[in-house]
Amino acid sequence: GQQVMQIPQYQHVQEGEDFTTYCNSSTTLSNIQWYKQRPGGHPVFLIQLVKSGEVKKQKRLTFQFGEAKKNSSLHITATQTTDVGTYFCAGPLGGSYIPTFGRGTSLIVHP
Amino acid sequence: DAGVTQSPTHLIKTRGQQVTLRCSPKSGHDTVSWYQQALGQGPQFIFQYYEEEERQRGNFPDRFSGHQFPNYSSELNVNALLLGDSALYLCASSLGTGGAHTDTQYFGPGTRLTVL
Repeated sequence: GQQVMQIPQYQHVQEGEDFTTYCNSSTTLSNIQWYKQRPGGHPVFLIQLVKSGEVKKQKRLTFQFGEAKKNSSLHITATQTTDVGTYFCAGPLGGSYIPTFGRGTSLIVHP
Repeated sequence: DAGVTQSPTHLIKTRGQQVTLRCSPKSGHDTVSWYQQALGQGPQFIFQYYEEEERQRGNFPDRFSGHQFPNYSSELNVNALLLGDSALYLCASSLGTGGAHTDTQYFGPGTRLTVL
């Protein structure tokens, strides 16, 4: 069935290293959203990308939407311990406007 | 500006029992969605309520039902609980765009349900 896939499932980095998580959809998406969930917390909306090839930045975070609108990435430059958490991408599948979430990538930052 | 609130925070039930979870949306929001998040998984969409009606439903059995009240708050009911229903239940509110766009979901803190 249609799904949103994320890799890797876990990523350990040393503080100061960069981090990238990738999101792939089985179908073309009208948009893609990214959320962050801190340990023990709830998902918090980060950003929504709509246009093909779109790139958006939020301080050390860079979000990209693929040209074919079937993949996306989140890159964090010079990770900090405050970046710890699980990052989810979510996109509407099958004509729905409800976002389907990926399994997430858990980022562990070692000081 | 109050965010999304949920009650209770934690709940322990036994198999076969019934449970009701409650959600108050963010101020100004009229749409409430419910998600189930199992450990190590992403949130899975259960259903969405808008104007007191179920607008869309995910792949969950009829044991999962809901309601939205005139003040936009919502309840999630689960009957005949199974061990596999143990999860974090998240409520998310949004300002409905009538299905034209993907709404930004503002999540509440969740209710941790444990079924023994």
